Amino acid sequence: GENVEQHPSTLSVQEGDSAVIKCTYSDSASNYFPWYKQELGKGPQLIIDIRSNVGEKKDQRIAVTLNKTAKHFSLHITETQPEDSAVYFCAARFDSGGGADGLTFGKGTHLIIQP
Amino acid sequence: GAVVSQHPSRVICKSGTSVKIECRSLDFQATTMFWYRQFPKQSLMLMATSNEGSKATYEQGVEKDKFLINHASLTLSTLTVTSAHPEDSSFYICSANGRTGGHYGGYTFGSGTRLTVV
Repeated sequence: GENVEQHPSTLSVQEGDSAVIKCTYSDSASNYFPWYKQELGKGPQLIIDIRSNVGEKKDQRIAVTLNKTAKHFSLHITETQPEDSAVYFCAARFDSGGGADGLTFGKGTHLIIQP
Repeated sequence: GAVVSQHPSRVICKSGTSVKIECRSLDFQATTMFWYRQFPKQSLMLMATSNEGSKATYEQGVEKDKFLINHASLTLSTLTVTSAHPEDSSFYICSANGRTGGHYGGYTFGSGTRLTVV
C-alpha cells in the first residue's frame, strides 16, 4: 500500500518567516495530495490540495508544489502568523480505480510560530 | 462548503459497554464514509471504508466485529465500538467523500470524537 513520509516532525519559525514542510510518497499511482491543519482536539481542516496533473498551486500565503518524478510534495507558508501554529498533515490518495479511496497520512508536523 | 457533523464530541464509557458515534453530511450526499482513529500525538490511521448500502471494508488489523459500521443512507454513517476496553480510547474521526457529476470530490472531515474507556 501507499506510504507517506513527512518531515520535519517539529518546526519552529519566527513570526513573519516562511515555513516549509516536505512529504514523500511511495506509490506512483497516487493522484491527489491534500494538506490538513489540525488544532488540538479538533478534526483536520483542509488548507490546500493538489492533483497529479498540476505542479504547483497557491492560495494567498499557502502554496503546494508537487514533483511527480521524485514523488514528493511540499507545503509552503509565507509570512507566518501566530494563528498558523498547529499540527499539519500531508496525505496521499492511491487511486485504485474502483471508486473513492481513503487517504494515507504522514505523521504530522508540529509548526510553532515564535512571536 | 461541505459540512460533516460528528457526534458526540466527547464520550466516557465503562469498560465492556458499547458506544455509537454518528456522522452526518449536512449539505451533500456522502457516497463514501471513511473512519479514522488517531492516538495522541500520532497520525490518522484509516480503519474502514463504507459505501452507502454496502458492507464496510476494514483495514488490516481492524476487527470488524468490534467496530461496527453502518452506512444506511447517503447522509448518515455510524461507528459502534462494541465491548469497549481502555485500549480503544482514542480520537475517532469520520471523513465523507461525495460524488458529483461522476467525479469524486474532496474529503470533508468531521470534528472528531474523543472516546475514553474507564
